[in-house]
Amino acid sequence: KQEVTQIPAALSVPEGENLVLNCSFTDSAIYNLQWFRQDPGKGLTSLLLIQSSQREQTSGRLNASLDKSSGRSTLYIAASQPGDSATYLCAVSRTGTASKLTFGTGTRLQVTL
Amino acid sequence: GAVVSQHPSWVICKSGTSVKIECRSLDFQATTMFWYRQFPKQSLMLMATSNEGSKATYEQGVEKDKFLINHASLTLSTLTVTSAHPEDSSFYICSASIGTYGYTFGSGTRLTVV
Repeated sequence: KQEVTQIPAALSVPEGENLVLNCSFTDSAIYNLQWFRQDPGKGLTSLLLIQSSQREQTSGRLNASLDKSSGRSTLYIAASQPGDSATYLCAVSRTGTASKLTFGTGTRLQVTL
Repeated sequence: GAVVSQHPSWVICKSGTSVKIECRSLDFQATTMFWYRQFPKQSLMLMATSNEGSKATYEQGVEKDKFLINHASLTLSTLTVTSAHPEDSSFYICSASIGTYGYTFGSGTRLTVV
């Protein structure tokens, strides 16, 4: 059974700092890994998707890496802003189209002024 | 594009009553819909997967008679919590598969059973 863990569970940083969120998974036989953002009481917004054959993806200030062999992914956020405050979730899928996602435990990020 | 509209956003119901949550795909056809449950400060747990026109597949430990899922059309999937009890209070989110790799999520429904 796939288990996905995220460290740290919570993080508070001052505005402008660069930060790294970690995601680890127990079964390396994944099809892809995604990072999502969830604001309190809201649904999820997809941030980045990394296919199993890729090692990283970038979007603006966000960069996600994937190391399948070690079962790890990191989400790097550059020059953090208060608007980045949210819960960040990673999720893995085992197969391709319309595959269910296994979500991580989440990291609650607060960026302070 | 690829928006899933979920309603209601919050609902309070009395213990023993049933509540229906709807998810509509607005600009695409959702062949597959996933229903998740999220407890406070916890991650999303998959409850069931529904495919249009067929019975839903429930995850282990999820009572299919309590959480009724209907996916009768390519644009509408519903989750009905039957005979709700306080322990069913939670945040419920639907998600549709879009394309080969992507997913789009509803905005969630906060259910409180009193």
